[in-house]
Amino acid sequence: GIQVEQSPPDLILQEGANSTLRCNFSDSVNNLQWFHQNPWGQLINLFYIPSGTKQNGRLSATTVATERYSLLYISSSQTTDSGVYFCAPRGGTDKLIFGTGTRLQVFP
Amino acid sequence: DAGVTQSPTHLIKTRGQQVTLRCSPKSGHDTVSWYQQALGQGPQFIFQYYEEEERQRGNFPDRFSGHQFPNYSSELNVNALLLGDSALYLCASRPEGLGGYTFGSGTRLTVV
Repeated sequence: GIQVEQSPPDLILQEGANSTLRCNFSDSVNNLQWFHQNPWGQLINLFYIPSGTKQNGRLSATTVATERYSLLYISSSQTTDSGVYFCAPRGGTDKLIFGTGTRLQVFP
Repeated sequence: DAGVTQSPTHLIKTRGQQVTLRCSPKSGHDTVSWYQQALGQGPQFIFQYYEEEERQRGNFPDRFSGHQFPNYSSELNVNALLLGDSALYLCASRPEGLGGYTFGSGTRLTVV
């Protein structure tokens, strides 16, 4: 099955800093989603991005499916950005495959 | 427009008992999947339901079973609970086609 590797595993930032989270996957995928899991466990969909680049406010994502990676950019980070970020590619079986995530802590 | 709703939010059960978790998908969504998330890990796929049938299943024992109703809502049943079944159980739904999944807030199950 598809293997997902996310880096870095942990990230500590001061408010206002920018960051890039990376997701590598081992096989071709039909699409990919980025999620933010808040401290209460809610998985919030950030992007549905099988390929190309999308932007939503301070967040943007790029997926290069042919090279099997996706990037999530967070600009001008805020304390509310804290939590765990997961990428989840979806292959031919239609199930989401999650990595172990990137744990982000943003301090004021 | 309500998103994916799950009940209950928290549950404490004793080893050997049985538990039923419930999920109502987002309006317009017909495919429901269940995931188990252990502490510090990413969610793991349990199974997926479409048109009231289990369409695919992850690497979970037969103690885990499910059901989808005509209104697309779904249940996850776990029999003979083990301590290792303690986890956050997440339900996700998506519309027909290649749309993205939307997750519920989850049910936190503790087995003692």
